Amino acid sequence: DVKVTQSSRYLVKRTGEKVFLECVQDMDHENMFWYRQDPGLGLRLIYFSYDVKMKEKGDIPEGYSVSREKKERFSLILESASTNQTSMYLCASSPIGQGLYEQYFGPGTRLTVT
Amino acid sequence: GQNIDQPTEMTATEGAIVQINCTYQTSGFNGLFWYQQHAGEAPTFLSYNVLDGLEEKGRFSSFLSRSKGYSYLLLKELQMKDSASYLCAVRFTGGGNKLTFGTGTQLKVEL
Repeated sequence: DVKVTQSSRYLVKRTGEKVFLECVQDMDHENMFWYRQDPGLGLRLIYFSYDVKMKEKGDIPEGYSVSREKKERFSLILESASTNQTSMYLCASSPIGQGLYEQYFGPGTRLTVT
Repeated sequence: GQNIDQPTEMTATEGAIVQINCTYQTSGFNGLFWYQQHAGEAPTFLSYNVLDGLEEKGRFSSFLSRSKGYSYLLLKELQMKDSASYLCAVRFTGGGNKLTFGTGTQLKVEL
């Protein structure tokens, strides 16, 4: 079974704090993704990575950065948290290749910025 | 843009059949996925279509028409546990395995 884990289920941070969200997958997948999910807006891609040290911006990268130093770990960083970054954050992973591979999701981190 | 459209909410009766539609921009289409997401949980994969036609998996089936930019998810013999959000997601060419998600359809199954 593919397992994607995220460091916290719930997190409360103050405005201006630096926030780290960690994601680890155990299936040797090349691709990893960070999404945020908000009511009425669905899942929106923040950043993704297709290899170690490689990253690409998604649809809403502003205010975020990422780090992928090891294949199994993909970190999302909020450099200076703001209240509009209060959201559910979901990490996902998938294999790379020409086939149609589904993404496997972690349980999510509900972040509240006060 | 790469808009994915699906109804916001649907209600159906236990034991019935429900069809959840999804429309998308056809340019660059390279595969369509359906996910189920229960409240407070992660999305879980249900099915994918890359060719036209119907894919059946038990009580769930998914249909695709590439020329029309249209898919539906069909749920038969509805059960209360099928109450969840159903997410349609499309892979477009040039994006690797990146998916663009619709906003989801919240399905409520009633007695």
